[in-house]
Amino acid sequence: EDKVVQSPLSLVVHEGDTVTLNCSYEVTNFRSLLWYKQEKKAPTFLFMLTSSGIEKKSGRLSSILDKKELFSILNITATQTGDSAVYLCALMNTGFQKLVFGTGTRLLVSP
Amino acid sequence: DAGITQSPRHKVTETGTPVTLRCHQTENHRYMYWYRQDPGHGLRLIHYSYGVKDTDKGEVSDGYSVSRSKTEDFLLTLESATSSQTSVYFCAIRGQGIGSVLLEQFFGPGTRLTVL
Repeated sequence: EDKVVQSPLSLVVHEGDTVTLNCSYEVTNFRSLLWYKQEKKAPTFLFMLTSSGIEKKSGRLSSILDKKELFSILNITATQTGDSAVYLCALMNTGFQKLVFGTGTRLLVSP
Repeated sequence: DAGITQSPRHKVTETGTPVTLRCHQTENHRYMYWYRQDPGHGLRLIHYSYGVKDTDKGEVSDGYSVSRSKTEDFLLTLESATSSQTSVYFCAIRGQGIGSVLLEQFFGPGTRLTVL
C-alpha cells in the first residue's frame, strides 16, 4: 500500500526564519511527488517532482526529491506570516494518476 | 482558478438521508476526483472518473457512489448518510497531457457536510 509520512506534524517559527518540511514515502509504482499549500480553503499546487536531485524553485520556496532514499523536502526561506498554512505532500501513482496524501505539516509563522 | 465549482458549499443533514454533492468544471478535463478531508487523515480518495460513464473506486469508497453522465459534472452521492461521513469534500480535476506528460490536480473550493 502506498504511504506518505510528513514531519514534523506542526511547526512554529518566527518571521524571517528558514524552515524545512519533510516527506518520506513508500510506493510500488512511482510517477511523481507533489507539494500543495492549504490555507483555510482548497489545496493549491506548489511543485511536482519526478526526478531525483533536480531542485524546483519558486520565489522563497524550493523542493527536491531523493528517489533512492524515498523522501522529499520543501524549504521556505525568509518566512512570512502569509506562509502560515498546512503543507501537503502527495504521491502520484501510475495509471490514472491518483494522489495519496500525507496528513500534512501545519506551519505557523509568528510576526 | 481552474474553473471548478462545488455545490452546495455547506450542508447539514440527518443520519439516513440521501445527499448528493456536485462538482462542475468548465475546462473540459477528462479526469475528475472526489476526496474527503478529515483531521488526522489528510485527503483521501473516494472515487475518480477517467471519462463520461467511466468511474472507479478510491481508498474510502464504502457508502459512496458516483456518476458522470457528461464531461463537466461529477456527482458524489451518499445513499444513506452516517455521522462518520461528516467531513469536508473536495473535487479535483486534471487535464490530459500529451503522451506521458504528468499534470497536477486542481482542487475545487470544497463542501462542508455535517451529518447529525
